Amino acid sequence: DSGVTQTPKHLITATGQRVTLRCSPRSGDLSVYWYQQSLDQGLQFLIQYYNGEERAKGNILERFSAQQFPDLHSELNLSSLELGDSALYFCASSVDGRPFTGELFFGEGSRLTVL
Amino acid sequence: SQQGEEDPQALSIQEGENATMNCSYKTSINNLQWYRQNSGRGLVHLILIRSNEREKHSGRLRVTLDTSKKSSSLLITASRAADTASYFCATGDNYGQNFVFGPGTRLSVLP
Repeated sequence: DSGVTQTPKHLITATGQRVTLRCSPRSGDLSVYWYQQSLDQGLQFLIQYYNGEERAKGNILERFSAQQFPDLHSELNLSSLELGDSALYFCASSVDGRPFTGELFFGEGSRLTVL
Repeated sequence: SQQGEEDPQALSIQEGENATMNCSYKTSINNLQWYRQNSGRGLVHLILIRSNEREKHSGRLRVTLDTSKKSSSLLITASRAADTASYFCATGDNYGQNFVFGPGTRLSVLP
């Protein structure tokens, strides 16, 4: 158990809808990262937050947004969903905002299926 | 584009054999990390090697880093069926931005 909690574990929805994925980082970790993993794209970095502030942005679509709240949990909002958004969405956390000095702890992911 | 690229994409070996996976990257790095992912599960950190290190060991894992060739290798010795998983290398640039993973190597260890 990594200590990172993601909900929901599975989500099935229709095209055009909006969903929210939630992540609770490990106790004491200030940084949260979101990744998308699909079969044909591998693990894509979406966005990173550190102590409530956006720290880095990767290949995140404009239809997607995220935030980190004062209690350090984070939410990833996906809107106007398309079939291609079907994927595993992972949240990871680290103690500080610099993964290159330490490891990331991953949650078990939220599997999104868009029909 | 991905910073790290693993090679091979897939590897199938018999239990007891050694498995070697390679990772190449493009820009200067602070360190390189290897992660493991069992099918459909979250990634688990295996080992981190800093840019000033050449080799590191952890149990049955041996990682090497060649910064002149911008490459790293992960060796799993005496493999077990439980080692069946995907293995990813990950790097971040010296500015701490864009911590990215390669596409991974799928390792199958046959009993």
